[in-house]
Amino acid sequence: EAQVTQNPRYLITVTGKKLTVTCSQNMNHEYMSWYRQDPGLGLRQIYYSMNVEVTDKGDVPEGYKVSRKEKRNFPLILESPSPNQTSLYFCASSSPPALAGEDGEQFFGPGTRLTVL
Amino acid sequence: SQQGEEDPQALSIQEGENATMNCSYKTSINNLQWYRQNSGRGLVHLILIRSNEREKHSGRLRVTLDTSKKSSSLLITASRAADTASYFCAGSNYKLTFGKGTLLTVNP
Repeated sequence: EAQVTQNPRYLITVTGKKLTVTCSQNMNHEYMSWYRQDPGLGLRQIYYSMNVEVTDKGDVPEGYKVSRKEKRNFPLILESPSPNQTSLYFCASSSPPALAGEDGEQFFGPGTRLTVL
Repeated sequence: SQQGEEDPQALSIQEGENATMNCSYKTSINNLQWYRQNSGRGLVHLILIRSNEREKHSGRLRVTLDTSKKSSSLLITASRAADTASYFCAGSNYKLTFGKGTLLTVNP
């Protein structure tokens, strides 16, 4: 089954304790992205990756790191989590767009609900 | 900055009625996409309309795009209780930017 998986699905942690949220897709997609979703703010992009070893900042990258060493995996790293990073996080992937400058259909993971105390 | 802004923020209708949601965007786009999200779950892609298209259909969904007004609408016909969800538009111009969503409640 084509899917994007995220782990863990739920995580409660404390300020400053490094954590990693994993994301994996089995659709051979080149493009992957991380979003956070907060009430009243909608979805905001944290980081994205156009291909292996190519990553770039989204709208809210502060406090996050990513890596793309393999095509299928795109982990999100919080080196020193803070309470303002409490949020619902989504990983997404998509195949290359049909036309230059376009974004194709994105496939979303089930989400990771993170609470930082 | 928000590329898509949905209107209304919340919509409540009876089963069988049609639901219309609107989206406005600020800058030029190559395509506009609509997604659906059930509470707390991942978004699911519904439909994509390109900037050179004016209308597109998919099952009970009808999407229109007016690039001169920088707006799009999503119509769900003959709504069902299972359509209850949040609906997001997202504008694409080298980057996909999502709006804040419309919460649709379909009452049985």
